[in-house]
Amino acid sequence: DTAVSQTPKYLVTQMGNDKSIKCEQNLGHDTMYWYKQDSKKFLKIMFSYNNKELIINETVPNRFSPKSPDKAHLNLHINSLELGDSAVYFCASTRGLHNSPLHFGNGTRLTVT
Amino acid sequence: AQKITQTQPGMFVQEKEAVTLDCTYDTSDPSYGLFWYKQPSSGEMIFLIYQGSYDQQNATEGRYSLNFQKARKSANLVISASQLGDSAMYFCAMCFSGGYNKLIFGAGTRLAVHP
Repeated sequence: DTAVSQTPKYLVTQMGNDKSIKCEQNLGHDTMYWYKQDSKKFLKIMFSYNNKELIINETVPNRFSPKSPDKAHLNLHINSLELGDSAVYFCASTRGLHNSPLHFGNGTRLTVT
Repeated sequence: AQKITQTQPGMFVQEKEAVTLDCTYDTSDPSYGLFWYKQPSSGEMIFLIYQGSYDQQNATEGRYSLNFQKARKSANLVISASQLGDSAMYFCAMCFSGGYNKLIFGAGTRLAVHP
């Protein structure tokens, strides 16, 4: 009964490749997020969707493109991968738009070689 | 601009003792929420406790309590009766009105519980 599930858990790829990370939540939440955790463990928001509509788009290279086919899914596609993209990417979801705790997936560890 | 500061990169505590993890924040927004998350070595992010800016009482959840001092803009996490399984990274985070529940995280504190 995983609440927020991400696939794959690990992703190793070469520079220049294109890859996708998928996220699904079965909590009935309206809002989903992508966060990036760097090697120093710092967490930074990248994107957020509310009912399939993009509501947060932080300063992220346009090689990163989120897609939300429905409110239970939020995928992240990355083009032309670079070494600096290596990180753990977390998907999260929440109900509502204010003061609600985020429920995180288990993360996808992306390694670019 | 909103900011969260955790000044303790690492802390250690003896098993069964209490420990306080510090968190200060900066915002001019009167309505905001404060959260603590735990990240064990396995990597998942676990929600622990929440405090709203208008809440009169300090939040508590089992062995976790939040020492909320609004005037000082601090939201310290207190873990009572520490257990070995409490060893993890702990993150303080904040959201603010109009921010679409975007959480801004502190740098984290690594807690080690010693037997």
